[in-house]
Amino acid sequence: EAGVTQFPSHSVIEKGQTVTLRCDPISGHDNLYWYRRVMGKEIKFLLHFVKESKQDESGMPNNRFLAERTGGTYSTLKVQPAELEDSGVYFCASSPPGPNSPLHFGNGTRLTVT
Amino acid sequence: SQKIEQNSEALNIQEGKTATLTCNYTNYSPAYLQWYRQDPGRGPVFLLLIRENEKEKRKERLKVTFDTTLKQSLFHITASQPADSATYLCALRWNQGGKLIFGQGTELSVKP
Repeated sequence: EAGVTQFPSHSVIEKGQTVTLRCDPISGHDNLYWYRRVMGKEIKFLLHFVKESKQDESGMPNNRFLAERTGGTYSTLKVQPAELEDSGVYFCASSPPGPNSPLHFGNGTRLTVT
Repeated sequence: SQKIEQNSEALNIQEGKTATLTCNYTNYSPAYLQWYRQDPGRGPVFLLLIRENEKEKRKERLKVTFDTTLKQSLFHITASQPADSATYLCALRWNQGGKLIFGQGTELSVKP
């Protein structure tokens, strides 16, 4: 089966610009998660979709971040306007239905805000 | 709030030895604890899961223990190989279906 794919793999933007990250989960995985790793820190939870619904968005840092999951398939994470502290690696993960299914991660999008 | 601590110092061991990595947590015990492996430039890859009521889990050369009294999980790799070199992450989930919280990870280096 195809794994979780993320696009782009790298993005360099200037402060104040907008960036949209995309995640295609494994087909059939209802659960989709966004995580972020800032330099030197742990991987931090951002939010969790179950199909098209936001189950938990307690990790979203502020209202400059907007996540959507159209039709319960792929997801986008938009940052607008980007700030320097948004730099990091953004990971997407998906899992099948079930309370303790392991997560399947993509390889991440490395975002650099200059 | 819940905290997870992994040894932030890199672990360097000789090929063939057993690597032991530690994951400590605070407050009440999680329902599930998972271990992942991460290689540079890649996303984490799931290795093992252990439940609150389980003491030990094994998979090939890997073994995970879970001690709710000590609030600690140990991750062992026996007969380690250079290919085992990577960062190992523990992740905890306190409620069924709840978010998975990651530790900072421990970098393991196995020298030939």
